[in-house]
Amino acid sequence: AQRVTQPEKLLSVFKGAPVELKCNYSYSGSPELFWYVQYSRQRLQLLLRHISRESIKGFTADLNKGETSFHLKKPFAQEEDSAMYYCAPFGCQKVTFGTGTKLQVIP
Amino acid sequence: EAQVTQNPRYLITVTGKKLTVTCSQNMNHEYMSWYRQDPGLGLRQIYYSMNVEVTDKGDVPEGYKVSRKEKRNFPLILESPSPNQTSLYFCASSPQASGSGGEQFFGPGTRLTVL
Repeated sequence: AQRVTQPEKLLSVFKGAPVELKCNYSYSGSPELFWYVQYSRQRLQLLLRHISRESIKGFTADLNKGETSFHLKKPFAQEEDSAMYYCAPFGCQKVTFGTGTKLQVIP
Repeated sequence: EAQVTQNPRYLITVTGKKLTVTCSQNMNHEYMSWYRQDPGLGLRQIYYSMNVEVTDKGDVPEGYKVSRKEKRNFPLILESPSPNQTSLYFCASSPQASGSGGEQFFGPGTRLTVL
């Protein structure tokens, strides 16, 4: 069965501190991995996907197939990064999202 | 403007009164999906559709129906709503079901309250 684990429900960091949002997945086949972000009272939007290997808003994520992890990182948190973050593998028709991590950046 | 729209955005109803939440996309996407978002549970997939007339169950399909008669529309039907279906619902579409086309575009959400 597909499973996505985001172990932290809430992550609080000070502005300027490094951020790491964890995501571990259990998935058959070779899914494509995504991170989505949801700012307060807004719809979900794509933050980044692993195949593009690009950095969006300073965030990066490395796919570790051995550990089946896709952790999201940013070296210096900004207040505008406060949001809900969801990890989502997408490899077949059915989609399983993680339960999400709320990132709170303290000024 | 490329977008996914949902209607209504807010709905308060009573137990047992049938309702439909509409979802429409103007991007000619093949894949469409419905999710519910609940605190502590994240997003859970209700139903998805690979293309016209092709639908399948997600993780939490009980109490819901869908149809895909046209490529652009994917309504969510609650035949007999119950209070445990009180939730925030999101519709999403994607160019295709897997691979590099797997990015999903989300609608603005529908907040449903069942009394």
